[in-house]
Amino acid sequence: DVKVTQSSRYLVKRTGEKVFLECVQDMDHENMFWYRQDPGLGLRLIYFSYDVKMKEKGDIPEGYSVSREKKERFSLILESASTNQTSMYLCASSPTNSPLHFGNGTRLTVT
Amino acid sequence: AQSVAQPEDQVNVAEGNPLTVKCTYSVSGNPYLFWYVQYPNRGLQFLLKYITGDNLVKGSYGFEAEFNKSQTSFHLKKPSALVSDSALYFCAVRDKAAGNTGKLIFGQGTTLQVKP
Repeated sequence: DVKVTQSSRYLVKRTGEKVFLECVQDMDHENMFWYRQDPGLGLRLIYFSYDVKMKEKGDIPEGYSVSREKKERFSLILESASTNQTSMYLCASSPTNSPLHFGNGTRLTVT
Repeated sequence: AQSVAQPEDQVNVAEGNPLTVKCTYSVSGNPYLFWYVQYPNRGLQFLLKYITGDNLVKGSYGFEAEFNKSQTSFHLKKPSALVSDSALYFCAVRDKAAGNTGKLIFGQGTTLQVKP
């Protein structure tokens, strides 16, 4: 079974802090994604990666960056956290032309 | 621009009754459509997909979806709802501009509440 693991379920950070959200998948998938989920807005794509060291902006990349140094790991970085980045963050992975597999999410609160 | 709409924020149905969760899409050409379910405090789980072929697609947990090209709809259905089906449901379409990466565009989600 595919496993996508997000390192933290809950995270509380202060405004201005640098925040790292980690995601690891164990199925050698080429593609990895970071979405944020907010009530009434569904899932919005922040960044995605289709190969090691490759990244593409999604619909809402402002305030975020990503890193993919190894195929199995895709990190989301908030350079300077702000309160409007309080949200549920979902990582997903997929092989080419196949459905996405999601992690359980990280609920981030920025105070 | 490609988009997906789920016109209902919440659907309420009694256990044992049929359920429908609505989804409409706007995509040029042939769409790749998906349904996902999210249980509380969990990530999304894949239910079913339509790529081509039969307009009625069967998926996990007894769910099915009907692709209707003329109405640009892909409604999720189940003949007999269970209380355990209560969850948040997302419709999604593949972003064709992203090639084979599998990038999806999601609707805003519909909460399904099944009452005993």
